[in-house]
Amino acid sequence: NAGVTQTPKFQVLKTGQSMTLQCAQDMNHNSMYWYRQDPGMGLRLIYYSASEGTTDKGEVPNGYNVSRLNKREFSLRLESAAPSQTSVYFCASSGTTGGNWIDQPQHFGDGTRLSIL
Amino acid sequence: KNQVEQSPQSLIILEGKNCTLQCNYTVSPFSNLRWYKQDTGRGPVSLTIMTFSENTKSNGRYTATLDADTKQSSLHITASQLSDSASYICVVSAISNYQLIWGAGTKLIIKP
Repeated sequence: NAGVTQTPKFQVLKTGQSMTLQCAQDMNHNSMYWYRQDPGMGLRLIYYSASEGTTDKGEVPNGYNVSRLNKREFSLRLESAAPSQTSVYFCASSGTTGGNWIDQPQHFGDGTRLSIL
Repeated sequence: KNQVEQSPQSLIILEGKNCTLQCNYTVSPFSNLRWYKQDTGRGPVSLTIMTFSENTKSNGRYTATLDADTKQSSLHITASQLSDSASYICVVSAISNYQLIWGAGTKLIIKP
């Protein structure tokens, strides 16, 4: 039972470099999400995809782009990394049975720990 | 502004003892409140969900309560075990703008 798989688990970048975080889920979920988690703060939504073919901005989208490649995969790209983007990034997915996406439990990967020097 | 505040920030208790974690929110209207458990180095896992009409819900040794009038929820852990050491996060679903409002979590440490 893989659930939500994120790669890589750790990454160190220099300021200005770019990279793509990968996420895949095997639960046939329609909705997928990218969050960042910083010390002392709640999870903050960067982007989400309510269904295949759609993406929407969350609370903190600046400096990021996303691609919903297919139903299983949702990637997050940092075009020009900045030290303020040092964080732990979580991908999550949820089904849409019986209500809106905000009513469904989200299933999380184990995160990517990203440091930008 | 929709906010979720959790207390205490951290808590240390001895194995076998009970504890209660608090969640206060200003989200209105809301559709449900969910508690997640996050082990160190892992992603959050859903523990329980409560709709605005529910007062109490149990999941094994975990019991969540909700008082929609005072906008407070609590998570009570009975007979704690070492495996309960984790962060516990409260999340409220805001209907007005379809947002999830996440609390910063309570870090619980169980000592043998």
